[in-house]
Amino acid sequence: EAGVTQFPSHSVIEKGQTVTLRCDPISGHDNLYWYRRVMGKEIKFLLHFVKESKQDESGMPNNRFLAERTGGTYSTLKVQPAELEDSGVYFCASSQDSGTSRNLQETQYFGPGTRLLVL
Amino acid sequence: RKEVEQDPGPFNVPEGATVAFNCTYSNSASQSFFWYRQDCRKEPKLLMSVYSSGNEDGRFTAQLNRASQYISLLIRDSKLSDSATYLCVVNMSPDNFNKFYFGSGTKLNVKP
Repeated sequence: EAGVTQFPSHSVIEKGQTVTLRCDPISGHDNLYWYRRVMGKEIKFLLHFVKESKQDESGMPNNRFLAERTGGTYSTLKVQPAELEDSGVYFCASSQDSGTSRNLQETQYFGPGTRLLVL
Repeated sequence: RKEVEQDPGPFNVPEGATVAFNCTYSNSASQSFFWYRQDCRKEPKLLMSVYSSGNEDGRFTAQLNRASQYISLLIRDSKLSDSATYLCVVNMSPDNFNKFYFGSGTKLNVKP
């Protein structure tokens, strides 16, 4: 079974440009998450989709970041315009839907990440 | 104060040694606890979930102390392949049990 995939693996852009990151979750996983790790800091939550709906976007840093998951399959995260402080590794993760019973130990499977460098 | 705190290390230990990591979390309402392992320039991978009663998986033992709000990971008989960064992960949001908070990681180097 294929794991979480992300594209591109690396991106180098100039300040002010736009970048779009893509994540394909594990097939059948309803939950999709975006996380970010900036240099020297811990991994931080950005947002969580359940199917195509945004369940929680409390971690999105500002309105330059836009995440979508049309159709409830793959997701994109667009940064426009990019700033220097946006540099870091962007991870996507997915987990299965637990249905009506809330599984408090739901495993999240991470993709390899996209390394973004804004110059 | 950070939501999840870990000693960054590095912990440098010889093969065969026993090593323990601790992690403290700030929110007493946290419900889910995990240890993830991250190799250099790779994605985090689940090592084990941490249950209230404590749990063991081979050479790895995880413990949870709710009263003191800390989690521990014990690795026995360390192998070279155990060298990695170990991430403590906690859920803290009562509104979203899937919102993970990560510690900054503890680096382990196992030497021959």
